[in-house]
Amino acid sequence: AQKITQTQPGMFVQEKEAVTLDCTYDTSDPSYGLFWYKQPSSGEMIFLIYQGSYDQQNATEGRYSLNFQKARKSANLVISASQLGDSAMYFCAMREGYLTGSNYQLIWGAGTKLIIKP
Amino acid sequence: DSGVTQTPKHLITATGQRVTLRCSPRSGDLSVYWYQQSLDQGLQFLIQYYNGEERAKGNILERFSAQQFPDLHSELNLSSLELGDSALYFCASTSTGANVLTFGAGSRLTVL
Repeated sequence: AQKITQTQPGMFVQEKEAVTLDCTYDTSDPSYGLFWYKQPSSGEMIFLIYQGSYDQQNATEGRYSLNFQKARKSANLVISASQLGDSAMYFCAMREGYLTGSNYQLIWGAGTKLIIKP
Repeated sequence: DSGVTQTPKHLITATGQRVTLRCSPRSGDLSVYWYQQSLDQGLQFLIQYYNGEERAKGNILERFSAQQFPDLHSELNLSSLELGDSALYFCASTSTGANVLTFGAGSRLTVL
């Protein structure tokens, strides 16, 4: 079964609008971390935001926020006031067992291609 | 600049050949990870090293091998290359106890 599911292969959004990228995950481990990375057309993988399973508050980093709904096992990325430079692939990823410190492997979703229209 | 350096950025070679990809982690990071990103399989974890020792193995083929040297740089060796090995190979590093992996810019391998 897919551990990380990103149901939106692609999205078009008007510049300055907010956008939500969906991510659902599947794990039986009580301690896990959820990550969002951005991959522009140039190819590099850029870290955006992180949420730990025991974190009480939703993570925020500038224009990025993570809508973490633990019961629904969803970790959607919200980008406020989108910009042309936000056009890229966005990947959701999960790391299980992070409290034990032993497993740093990331499990990745298939990604969502976001295109911001001027 | 993420601080993780990968060379070469692009590499074109023929089937059956062998290549070596190099990675220098961020200063102070002891852990190095290798990931493969291909069109058909997405991002896959290959292998992790911590301070010179292999820590975890993922979907790494037997034709592939890696090592981490005393100066903490790492090399990924790919041999008997096949067309399907064409991919973007990422190196990432992290410091002990940190949650976030920092990725290099990747090495794009094309096998013809």
